[in-house]
Amino acid sequence: DVKVTQSSRYLVKRTGEKVFLECVQDMDHENMFWYRQDPGLGLRLIYFSYDVKMKEKGDIPEGYSVSREKKERFSLILESASTNQTSMYLCASITSGAIGGDEQYFGPGTRLTVT
Amino acid sequence: AQTVTQSQPEMSVQEAETVTLSCTYDTSESNYYLFWYKQPPSRQMILVIRQEAYKQQNATENRFSVNFQKAAKSFSLKISDSQLGDTAMYFCAFMSGDTGNQFYFGTGTSLTVIP
Repeated sequence: DVKVTQSSRYLVKRTGEKVFLECVQDMDHENMFWYRQDPGLGLRLIYFSYDVKMKEKGDIPEGYSVSREKKERFSLILESASTNQTSMYLCASITSGAIGGDEQYFGPGTRLTVT
Repeated sequence: AQTVTQSQPEMSVQEAETVTLSCTYDTSESNYYLFWYKQPPSRQMILVIRQEAYKQQNATENRFSVNFQKAAKSFSLKISDSQLGDTAMYFCAFMSGDTGNQFYFGTGTSLTVIP
């Protein structure tokens, strides 16, 4: 089975802290994604990466950065956490060349609260 | 950019009954894939069913089936013989068959199965 794991299920941070969310997949997938999930807004793409050290901005990249030093690991960084970044964060991965309609595999999510 | 619309934020159904969740999308592409994902409470997002746009036949997976109307750009999910375990948030998603990899999600429908 494909496994996508995230470093924490629940996280509480203070405003201004630097926050690291980590995601690891074990299926040798080239593409990895970070989404933010908020009620009534669905899943919004923050960043994605299609290869090691490569990254692309999604729809809402402001206030976030990412790092992909190894193929299996994709990190989301909140440089200076703010209360409006309180949310559920989902990581996903998919194999490259998904022209055949392969599915994205999701991690369990990290519920981040910024106080 | 593609857009995916789910117009039913919340729905409920009696156990053993049938329910249909609606999804519409907007695209100018002819080659694409559509997905329904399920996110049970506090659990991981998983794929329910997928549909290739070039296939006229509607996809079916056990109690789950879709009604794919390509001309109307509609992709509804029918759940037959609803079970308590079907209680979840359901997301409709679009993936381009040309560019691949990136998914576009709707805002979700929260389904409650009532015993």
